[in-house]
Amino acid sequence: AQSVAQPEDQVNVAEGNPLTVKCTYSVSGNPYLFWYVQYPNRGLQFLLKYITGDNLVKGSYGFEAEFNKSQTSFHLKKPSALVSDSALYFCAVRDRASGGSYIPTFGRGTSLIVHP
Amino acid sequence: KAGVTQTPRYLIKTRGQQVTLSCSPISGHRSVSWYQQTPGQGLQFLFEYFSETQRNKGNFPGRFSGRQFSNSRSEMNVSTLELGDSALYLCASSLVPGQMNTGELFFGEGSRLTVL
Repeated sequence: AQSVAQPEDQVNVAEGNPLTVKCTYSVSGNPYLFWYVQYPNRGLQFLLKYITGDNLVKGSYGFEAEFNKSQTSFHLKKPSALVSDSALYFCAVRDRASGGSYIPTFGRGTSLIVHP
Repeated sequence: KAGVTQTPRYLIKTRGQQVTLSCSPISGHRSVSWYQQTPGQGLQFLFEYFSETQRNKGNFPGRFSGRQFSNSRSEMNVSTLELGDSALYLCASSLVPGQMNTGELFFGEGSRLTVL
């Protein structure tokens, strides 16, 4: 079975400050990991993914995420937050193991609010 | 390249009615998956279609069904609507089905269903 947890329903940060949105996962094999962003009344947009290789993954809009296998985490980060980053962020995981689910499992989402 | 198109964007139904939602994937994408998004349950997988065949199905009652046409367009149907079916229904497309897909999903803007 595969699962993903986003422990914070909401993250508040001041504009210009660094932001972190947390994600931990559980899979039986090795994971594919994804971050998506959803703006109000819109669908989800892909931000970045970890497949293999470098543990630090860079994505769209200045976001990056760090894969930590020992901590089973894939936290989303940005060095300097913008008000326009305010949105709902989803972490997703897919198990690479044969027999595992080929459908990604999504976290419940974290609402990021960036204050001017 | 046009994105994923979902119709209708908004609809209101009453309990007991049925509804059909449509999804046109990105040109060339042959895999279509459907998700239900609610504030309480987050993003939950409904089903995935590839080459007109249902490849995977989530844990939803039989009232939820879908199909895919030869041009990869997909429809989902919900019969005997219940108040709890009120949600944003999201469609996502990808080039290949989940088991070979290490990449991202491309989401439509969603169809917001309200059941009164």
